[in-house]
Amino acid sequence: KQEVTQIPAALSVPEGENLVLNCSFTDSAIYNLQWFRQDPGKGLTSLLLIQSSQREQTSGRLNASLDKSSGRSTLYIAASQPGDSATYLCAVPNDYKLSFGAGTTVTVRA
Amino acid sequence: NAGVTQTPKFQVLKTGQSMTLQCAQDMNHNSMYWYRQDPGMGLRLIYYSASEGTTDKGEVPNGYNVSRLNKREFSLRLESAAPSQTSVYFCASAFAGELFFGEGSRLTVL
Repeated sequence: KQEVTQIPAALSVPEGENLVLNCSFTDSAIYNLQWFRQDPGKGLTSLLLIQSSQREQTSGRLNASLDKSSGRSTLYIAASQPGDSATYLCAVPNDYKLSFGAGTTVTVRA
Repeated sequence: NAGVTQTPKFQVLKTGQSMTLQCAQDMNHNSMYWYRQDPGMGLRLIYYSASEGTTDKGEVPNGYNVSRLNKREFSLRLESAAPSQTSVYFCASAFAGELFFGEGSRLTVL
């Protein structure tokens, strides 16, 4: 059974600091990993989809790395802004569905 | 481009009442999903549809039914609502392993 863990559960940083969010999964036989952002009371917005053949994927200030052999992915957010405050979730395929981590709630202080 | 649209956004029901949550996507995706999100439980799959005309149970299907009306629409029905079904419900569609979510439907069962 695929289990997804995100540590830490919450993170508070001053504006401008780089963010490092971690995701680990137990079954390394995945074909992709997806990072999402969720604002309070809103749906999940896809940030990055990283294929198993890739080691990293970048979009603007966001960079996600994937190490299948160790069962880990890391989402880096450079030069954080108050608008980055949200919950970030990672998800990996698990048979016919996605298994989600519980998320890391980020607060960026102005 | 609307993406995935869910209705209603909010609903309050009494125990035993029935209702249908509607979901439509305009991205021509084959796969569609219904998730529920609860504090401390994360996102759990209720039902999914790999293609028009097919539906399958997810992790927590009891108390729910679904209909894949056509390629665009995937509805979730609660036949006899229970307080345990108080939750936020998300519809999603998928293409090439990437999921796209709606804004969610917040349901309270009294």
